[in-house]
Amino acid sequence: LAKTTQPISMDSYEGQEVNITCSHNNIATNDYITWYQQFPSQGPRFIIQGYKTKVTNEVASLFIPADRKSSTLSLPRVSLSDTAVYYCLVGDPPDSNYQLIWGAGTKLIIKP
Amino acid sequence: KAGVTQTPRYLIKTRGQQVTLSCSPISGHRSVSWYQQTPGQGLQFLFEYFSETQRNKGNFPGRFSGRQFSNSRSEMNVSTLELGDSALYLCASSSRGGLEQYFGPGTRLTVT
Repeated sequence: LAKTTQPISMDSYEGQEVNITCSHNNIATNDYITWYQQFPSQGPRFIIQGYKTKVTNEVASLFIPADRKSSTLSLPRVSLSDTAVYYCLVGDPPDSNYQLIWGAGTKLIIKP
Repeated sequence: KAGVTQTPRYLIKTRGQQVTLSCSPISGHRSVSWYQQTPGQGLQFLFEYFSETQRNKGNFPGRFSGRQFSNSRSEMNVSTLELGDSALYLCASSSRGGLEQYFGPGTRLTVT
């Protein structure tokens, strides 16, 4: 699996747009990029997944440049309830040797 | 569709005992993965079951085992509990495995 690097923590304010960037220099041709959100003492929640360019859903947007060595999760107009840990994962499921490896994630704190 | 359910939600056990945790995946999902989450080690992959077969396994000792039934429900067993096994145990289901997984609320295990 490609290794990912994310900032350990970020702060922002309510109403702002937040962009969290993930670096994955060794991404393979078949790899997809997936982001999860986790609140304390809860299981992670799938947010968005993409392969290239831009993907948007009702929660977030995912921007992936042409070289795919990084990706940016964009959260529009955040609120206090967006305070959580955000994880970026990269891989090509599934195969017999496949397992998800989770990094430390980015702890996002939204202030009033 | 009902989400992933895990029982029990909280458990207190004594060192040396064994414990069985249960997970019911989203209807139609055939892949169930188990994770251990602790403040120090983060989210760590235990194993994945797909159609009643263990397909992937993480780096945990043999005290950690699991199984999956024909209805895709899964159980995880930990024998000879140690203090270090205290953690949040998360179950995730997926239609075929891989990056898009749906997590349950977790079972908080405390070993005393």
